[in-house]
Amino acid sequence: EVQLVESGGALIQPGGSLRLSCGASGFNFGSYSMNWVRQIPGKGLEWISYISSSSNTIHYGDTAKGRFTISRDNGKKTLYLQLNSLRDEDTAVYYCARSLGPRVGIALDYWGLGTLVTVSS
Amino acid sequence: ELVLTQSPGTLSLSPGESATLSCRASQSFSSGTFAWYQQRPGQAPRLLIYGASGRATGIPDRFSGSGSGTDFTLTISRLEPEDFAVYYCQQYGSSLIFGGGTKVEIK
Repeated sequence: EVQLVESGGALIQPGGSLRLSCGASGFNFGSYSMNWVRQIPGKGLEWISYISSSSNTIHYGDTAKGRFTISRDNGKKTLYLQLNSLRDEDTAVYYCARSLGPRVGIALDYWGLGTLVTVSS
Repeated sequence: ELVLTQSPGTLSLSPGESATLSCRASQSFSSGTFAWYQQRPGQAPRLLIYGASGRATGIPDRFSGSGSGTDFTLTISRLEPEDFAVYYCQQYGSSLIFGGGTKVEIK
């Protein structure tokens, strides 16, 4: 069974940094591209970033450029999202999601339950 | 910049009825990167349809997707109680974009 489990969410002050993790099991993690998507409570979905299976290709949405960094460790079957210079408007549930295929933009076929990041002073 | 507009915002229907959800894109991109997701309250999104019309693993055949170019449709025939949820469309232009969602609620 495919499982994705996010962790690392916390209450953090504006300007702070946080690293989110997503542990994968039930599939060959090193063969799949991965993504981060976030959702402000009660609002819609916003794609944050994509990373290819070998980390050769990385894409960011406009919100993430310059502040967030995606990475992965295939040996540890873990996806990461480094969040820097956090703002109030970054408060959201952050999901990791697997890409159905190797290309960026392909549908996201498995999602974790999410981890809540709250940015507040 | 690609924008996805979903309509209607809310759909009020009874179990057993059919639902037709629309997603209109501001620009035309490949239908190969178009998808639909379902999100039930308190849950993560779940992939329903990929490539505009392909049904994801484990998705009942009462869910069907169609469309190309800028206009896409998700049809749910014979609504079951568990189908009352929010539905999002997704497309990739220069970035992966989600629509604002359509809530299907019990009438």
